[in-house]
Amino acid sequence: GAVVSQHPSWVICKSGTSVKIECRSLDFQATTMFWYRQFPKQSLMLMATSNEGSKATYEQGVEKDKFLINHASLTLSTLTVTSAHPEDSSFYICSARSDRGYGYTFGSGTRLTVV
Amino acid sequence: SQQGEEDPQALSIQEGENATMNCSYKTSINNLQWYRQNSGRGLVHLILIRSNEREKHSGRLRVTLDTSKKSSSLLITASRAADTASYFCAPGSGNTGKLIFGQGTTLQVKP
Repeated sequence: GAVVSQHPSWVICKSGTSVKIECRSLDFQATTMFWYRQFPKQSLMLMATSNEGSKATYEQGVEKDKFLINHASLTLSTLTVTSAHPEDSSFYICSARSDRGYGYTFGSGTRLTVV
Repeated sequence: SQQGEEDPQALSIQEGENATMNCSYKTSINNLQWYRQNSGRGLVHLILIRSNEREKHSGRLRVTLDTSKKSSSLLITASRAADTASYFCAPGSGNTGKLIFGQGTTLQVKP
């Protein structure tokens, strides 16, 4: 079956630093990837959609300069949280979609804590 | 894309009982998916039902879809403690491919 690997699973960083989260499709080509964030006991909020080789499309209210998304290949998308602040602490989840009928596959998430 | 609304928000049952959760949406769809999220983990795809289907089974899961009422239900039979999780529905329509999630139903199965 389709597998998406997301790393790291957890990270602690200091305020003002940047953190990169990777999302890889291991056994299929992901033409589209989605990034979500989730606060405790809340639903997943879609942040952006990325297509391989093109700029990401951000949802309303999401700062594109703060959350940099790169989808440079059909198997890798990265989310970089720049100049992180404590309010950026959250659970970030990626999802990959293949046009080969695998549907949507989610990564296991990254718990980001900014101190 | 549109967001589904799950009901109830929380459900607590004993092991062995059945659990039913519902999903409502607003506009026409091509399909509807159900996902499970264990605490602190990503989402796991459970089942997809297409707009021309009324019922679908997968193991202990039974999903129904009523397009006239714009609603779907997920039934988990003979629940187990391991079924404790949050469950989300995701109505699928349009070409964007985006999945928008509601608040979900938090299911607790007591051993």
